[in-house]
Amino acid sequence: KAGVTQTPRYLIKTRGQQVTLSCSPISGHRSVSWYQQTPGQGLQFLFEYFSETQRNKGNFPGRFSGRQFSNSRSEMNVSTLELGDSALYLCASSSIVGLAGQETQYFGPGTRLLVL
Amino acid sequence: AQTVTQSQPEMSVQEAETVTLSCTYDTSESNYYLFWYKQPPSRQMILVIRQEAYKQQNATENRFSVNFQKAAKSFSLKISDSQLGDTAMYFCAFGSSNTGKLIFGQGTTLQVKP
Repeated sequence: KAGVTQTPRYLIKTRGQQVTLSCSPISGHRSVSWYQQTPGQGLQFLFEYFSETQRNKGNFPGRFSGRQFSNSRSEMNVSTLELGDSALYLCASSSIVGLAGQETQYFGPGTRLLVL
Repeated sequence: AQTVTQSQPEMSVQEAETVTLSCTYDTSESNYYLFWYKQPPSRQMILVIRQEAYKQQNATENRFSVNFQKAAKSFSLKISDSQLGDTAMYFCAFGSSNTGKLIFGQGTTLQVKP
């Protein structure tokens, strides 16, 4: 099976702009989670989508949003970019069987966002 | 709230030797999952090993094994016969049941020296 893919891999934006990142999960996986990785804060959970519904949300401002499509592909959007949004954004997918337990999350290669 | 702590920011080991990375966590839950992920310089997060809290037996995957001490809330990773390709940052992660949220430790950078 193909792994998790993320596009674009690299992105440069300026403050105030908005950005959309895309994630395609492993075929058959229905859950997609997003994480932000920075040198200062480490890896932080943004949100999780399952069956087109947001199941969990991390402690990030409303400028960070996401959605999931019927084919399980997910997008996250950051509006009004700030310098502090520069980070590696990682997407992970997992298969949920019966909504029980914690299935292993498999990560994509990430999108590196630089805000100038 | 759950927390994960990795107290060793950096470690080094000689090729072919054994090294242990430490991880402690805090939770009030009884059913949860623990993971070790590896992130090489490419930044691709790779699953190393997974442990279910309800299982008493420690998980093993080839040269990688864990020492899971539930009462002490400790979850260390042992890498045997270290190889140059093991050089990476290693993250310990906690996952609650029925949620796609992982809580990560700050990571341990492991350098394997020839």
